[in-house]
Amino acid sequence: GQQVMQIPQYQHVQEGEDFTTYCNSSTTLSNIQWYKQRPGGHPVFLIQLVKSGEVKKQKRLTFQFGEAKKNSSLHITATQTTDVGTYFCAGKTPPGNTGFQKLVFGTGTRLLVSP
Amino acid sequence: DAGITQSPRHKVTETGTPVTLRCHQTENHRYMYWYRQDPGHGLRLIHYSYGVKDTDKGEVSDGYSVSRSKTEDFLLTLESATSSQTSVYFCAISELRISSYNEQFFGPGTRLTVL
Repeated sequence: GQQVMQIPQYQHVQEGEDFTTYCNSSTTLSNIQWYKQRPGGHPVFLIQLVKSGEVKKQKRLTFQFGEAKKNSSLHITATQTTDVGTYFCAGKTPPGNTGFQKLVFGTGTRLLVSP
Repeated sequence: DAGITQSPRHKVTETGTPVTLRCHQTENHRYMYWYRQDPGHGLRLIHYSYGVKDTDKGEVSDGYSVSRSKTEDFLLTLESATSSQTSVYFCAISELRISSYNEQFFGPGTRLTVL
């Protein structure tokens, strides 16, 4: 089945340093979503990318979708302690018999930020 | 946060016993999902529902069954709990709308321990 891998699994940075997580799919994705999960919390939607090569920014966060639509990245500039959490990418599968597209979640990258 | 509740929030049970987890939504969303979250695996889809009495299997459905008799409720049953089903279980909902990202909204999670 479709697999979505993320690297690194874990990263510990000092506040103010940059951070990047990479997401790679075994198959072409129709679009990709990113979620953030705070420690002890539930995943919360951040953004969706649809077009090949698309780049979107949310304040210090920059999201990219690869030209082949098989990979994506999330870059955080000048991390803050509020960025702590696990970041998941999630790719949409091709429609099945019901016409419904499931999300396949990546393995996640856990970010720890020290003040 | 979207109106999603899960019950119970924590449960400890013994191997071989049946367990039912409940997800309740007040958003009238059509699609509902059950995921399990384990370290190193991210979020894995167990079952999903695309309407009342319409359900389908996800990637890790063995040992689980679901039912949806009303739009607002989605039940997950572990027919005979095993220690490998110790996990955090998340319910999620989504809706198909042209004007939105069709993102998933997650409940607070249920921590299940099978001894």
